[in-house]
Amino acid sequence: AQKVTQAQTEISVVEKEDVTLDCVYETRDTTYYLFWYKQPPSGELVFLIRRNSFDEQNEISGRYSWNFQKSTSSFNFTITASQVVDSAVYFCALILTSGTYKYIFGTGTRLKVLA
Amino acid sequence: DSGVTQTPKHLITATGQRVTLRCSPRSGDLSVYWYQQSLDQGLQFLIQYYNGEERAKGNILERFSAQQFPDLHSELNLSSLELGDSALYFCASSPPEQGEQYFGPGTRLTVT
Repeated sequence: AQKVTQAQTEISVVEKEDVTLDCVYETRDTTYYLFWYKQPPSGELVFLIRRNSFDEQNEISGRYSWNFQKSTSSFNFTITASQVVDSAVYFCALILTSGTYKYIFGTGTRLKVLA
Repeated sequence: DSGVTQTPKHLITATGQRVTLRCSPRSGDLSVYWYQQSLDQGLQFLIQYYNGEERAKGNILERFSAQQFPDLHSELNLSSLELGDSALYFCASSPPEQGEQYFGPGTRLTVT
């Protein structure tokens, strides 16, 4: 089965708190990509990161960091010192590339950062 | 502003009709992706084109078709529209050999 689970439907934090959004995926493929997207209240979609299955290095971009662990099939996203502008729905996605490409999206986690 | 443009922003039409959504990618981007976001189905990938050729196909219905033209703009054609086709349709583009995607503002389609 191929699946992406974002078990946290909604998270609320107070500004400046750190928050981690979980993403667990299932696939038997060895070659795949993992993505994170952000959708703020205004509705547009914003690409955050792409990671391929052979690159388990963690990534940091400013206050954002991603922890990819193949052993637990997880690709978690942490926001450090959250800000109100981080309030959005965040989607994790798995893209399988063997044969026909297949995109599998999680249901999203709504993050509310309170001032 | 991502540099990706989509027209129209809003579209209201009746069941059974046909509509065309248009996307202009960022200058230099060869890939165009189409996504659908609805309350029922969530976010779904429809189709990807790379330099005029279909590269990947997702959950695109047979009533839907797309193409990418020589100038790299893309059109998504939706026909025999049903109420369930009401959704936000996003287009994205990406540069050659790069992973990042740049999204347009979306077209909100309402089928009545």
